[in-house]
Amino acid sequence: GAGVSQSPSNKVTEKGKDVELRCDPISGHTALYWYRQSLGQGLEFLIYFQGNSAPDKSGLPSDRFSAERTGGSVSTLTIQRTQQEDSAVYLCASSLSSGRANIQYFGAGTRLSVL
Amino acid sequence: AQTVTQSQPEMSVQEAETVTLSCTYDTSESDYYLFWYKQPPSRQMILVIRQEAYKQQNATENRFSVNFQKAAKSFSLKISDSQLGDAAMYFCAYKGGSEKLVFGKGTKLTVNP
Repeated sequence: GAGVSQSPSNKVTEKGKDVELRCDPISGHTALYWYRQSLGQGLEFLIYFQGNSAPDKSGLPSDRFSAERTGGSVSTLTIQRTQQEDSAVYLCASSLSSGRANIQYFGAGTRLSVL
Repeated sequence: AQTVTQSQPEMSVQEAETVTLSCTYDTSESDYYLFWYKQPPSRQMILVIRQEAYKQQNATENRFSVNFQKAAKSFSLKISDSQLGDAAMYFCAYKGGSEKLVFGKGTKLTVNP
């Protein structure tokens, strides 16, 4: 597709359930990023992939959060045993490569609501 | 650690008028980029403009321009001839040696007809 695609657009889950959020980056983009946007914390970095490797996972808030990227393309963010504080919009971005100058292009995000 | 501060949670402007959104940042790095992103209700963050720290000339993109003051660590966005479609959340962001973008809390811009 032309842009970054994220699915689902919205997800409602019960506390304690696991969820998977998907990101399909722009074709040819080697770098991929996950951010979380919540009312209290604003926009926070979660993890960065270069190819299939994740050199920076420093933003993952707990070991309930994990992410993988396969084939240098699609990425999945998994949240295990969801808690109410996980409710947020999860944004994915991709860029042509890594480096200061590279522009990150964002998807429309997945709004996660944990009941 | 780098920080980005947007001191105006909300701003409003009349259609066709000019508005300036403020952003300050803190860093010890000398080589970095600054960005303004727009987030409409659709949630998709859209790049408005970017500025390289080493370039003294302020970036301009059509009706959008920045006032970059490196010594003061200030990076404001000026929107000229405001249009109804400019209404959105605007985020200032920093990118230095780390791959991550560091965002401010955002400014909600309302455009009044």
